[in-house]
Amino acid sequence: GENVEQHPSTLSVQEGDSAVIKCTYSDSASNYFPWYKQELGKGPQLIIDIRSNVGEKKDQRIAVTLNKTAKHFSLHITETQPEDSAVYFCAASGYSSASKIIFGSGTRLSIRP
Amino acid sequence: KAGVTQTPRYLIKTRGQQVTLSCSPISGHRSVSWYQQTPGQGLQFLFEYFSETQRNKGNFPGRFSGRQFSNSRSEMNVSTLELGDSALYLCASSSAGSQETQYFGPGTRLLVL
Repeated sequence: GENVEQHPSTLSVQEGDSAVIKCTYSDSASNYFPWYKQELGKGPQLIIDIRSNVGEKKDQRIAVTLNKTAKHFSLHITETQPEDSAVYFCAASGYSSASKIIFGSGTRLSIRP
Repeated sequence: KAGVTQTPRYLIKTRGQQVTLSCSPISGHRSVSWYQQTPGQGLQFLFEYFSETQRNKGNFPGRFSGRQFSNSRSEMNVSTLELGDSALYLCASSSAGSQETQYFGPGTRLLVL
């Protein structure tokens, strides 16, 4: 069945440094890859997404890269700040709105002051 | 525009009981998905409803069921509760499905004693 693996499960970085979270997916039909951020006591919130016709997308300090051949995608956060501390989830979805979204197991990111 | 709301926010039940959780999507959204979130398993997909029809289903036993009403509000029901059903239950709405941003509610935290 479909599966999304996410690494690492926990990540601690110094404020101002970069953080990278990696995901691999199994379903070659996946073509939509969103990333969600979940803060304590809240539901996940979309922070960036990428579709299979694009290899990289950037939004200020956040960027996502996609390698369809290798079936992996990564989230990059530069110049990390204390408010970046949260749990991050990657996800993969198939070719239509009727497809399932499969989430990774999450990465708890902590920013050290 | 009001966000996704879930009721109740907290619930305590005992084994063998049943429970009904409610989700009101963002106005105009026709897709509602349900997820179970536990520390060890991340976000597990339960089911998705679109225009009152179940469009997708995850790998959960038949004790977990749901429905969607004509105003897109959705309910999920868990019968014969087990200790392992203790979790945060999240619902997410979108206008059409998995290819678009999922807007999550704050979740219902269920504790089964």
